[in-house]
Amino acid sequence: DAKTTQPNSMESNEEEPVHLPCNHSTISGTDYIHWYRQLPSQGPEYVIHGLTSNVNNRMASLAIAEDRKSSTLILHRATLRDAAVYYCILHSGGSNYKLTFGKGTLLTVNP
Amino acid sequence: GAVVSQHPSRVICKSGTSVKIECRSLDFQATTMFWYRQFPKKSLMLMATSNEGSKATYEQGVEKDKFLINHASLTLSTLTVTSAHPEDSSFYICSARGGSYSYEQYFGPGTRLTVT
Repeated sequence: DAKTTQPNSMESNEEEPVHLPCNHSTISGTDYIHWYRQLPSQGPEYVIHGLTSNVNNRMASLAIAEDRKSSTLILHRATLRDAAVYYCILHSGGSNYKLTFGKGTLLTVNP
Repeated sequence: GAVVSQHPSRVICKSGTSVKIECRSLDFQATTMFWYRQFPKKSLMLMATSNEGSKATYEQGVEKDKFLINHASLTLSTLTVTSAHPEDSSFYICSARGGSYSYEQYFGPGTRLTVT
């Protein structure tokens, strides 16, 4: 699977929007962009995924660049409970569907 | 969303003993389950992929005789750490996909293993 690059850490204030970037310049045409997050001492949690078009769900929005070489996870109003490590992961699907986790971005939310 | 449980959540065992960790998909049938290991302040590392009714596929560097995986049903997979040593102490996390939730992977809450 293609590699992703994320900032090691980001900081935000409560109730402000957060934009978490992810670069994936070697993405292939069949790679989906997935975002997961992991709260302290818990298993990861699915956030959102997309292929080409921007996506919205109740947790977040995913903005995908036109050339698909980068994407941004948008939390519209950060809360203290959004403090977590956010992982941007690419995979090409298929029957195996294994996810390869990078280092992710540690998001700190200040009250 | 779909729920995956793990049991136990924490376990302490003595060096040389074996420990079994269970992973269950509670409200869906999981055709594929995954086992990860996570050391403190590190990312998740995939250990193996298991499909119901067949042998698990282990990642490079993971000893299959030490980490026994059984996926006997569509809702249960087990990981047995055999002859555990202190260096096996880690956070073990399972995940599952399958059924109508196939685009997403659902993770268990993790099991903290401490080997003394």
